[in-house]
Amino acid sequence: NAGVMQNPRHLVRRRGQEARLRCSPMKGHSHVYWYRQLPEEGLKFMVYLQKENIIDESGMPKERFSAEFPKEGPSILRIQQVVRGDSAAYFCASSPPRTGLKDTQYFGPGTRLTVL
Amino acid sequence: RKEVEQDPGPFNVPEGATVAFNCTYSNSASQSFFWYRQDCRKEPKLLMSVYSSGNEDGRFTAQLNRASQYISLLIRDSKLSDSATYLCVVNSLTGSNTGKLIFGQGTTLQVKP
Repeated sequence: NAGVMQNPRHLVRRRGQEARLRCSPMKGHSHVYWYRQLPEEGLKFMVYLQKENIIDESGMPKERFSAEFPKEGPSILRIQQVVRGDSAAYFCASSPPRTGLKDTQYFGPGTRLTVL
Repeated sequence: RKEVEQDPGPFNVPEGATVAFNCTYSNSASQSFFWYRQDCRKEPKLLMSVYSSGNEDGRFTAQLNRASQYISLLIRDSKLSDSATYLCVVNSLTGSNTGKLIFGQGTTLQVKP
């Protein structure tokens, strides 16, 4: 059973370009979470999605950031018009269909975004 | 005040030592607690869940004190391979219980030969 897959693992963009980060959850998992880790900081929640639905986007910056988890295919985190402050590691996590409050989230290897 | 607070360390200990990490959380309604391990800014990996009754996994023991909103991790007989950053993690409860995790900043452990 493959783990959570993320690609690309490293992404370099110039200021003003768009960044698209992909996440394929573990087989059988229907919940996807995105977290961001800025340099020298802890992980911060961004958004929680189920198939075709955004459940909680309370951690998403108000502008330039969007996320989706379509019926088919991976979850996408999209950052438009990137700025240097967007440089960070972006981790995706998945969990199985909700069975209780103690759901374990399994993390992908992350995408390291560098904005030049 | 941060929702989850940890002493960032670093903790430098010799092999074989016993080391304890502490963590406090601010949301008294939190219900799920975890310790994750993160190596060199790779992805966090679940080390263990933490229960009120306390739980042990080999050399690792985790404790939860709900009254004090305090979580601990004890590592006995430290190995070089235990060198990592240990993340205290709490499941954030909102009205909809979305299950998002709130991470502490992490405590860095360096085990020396």
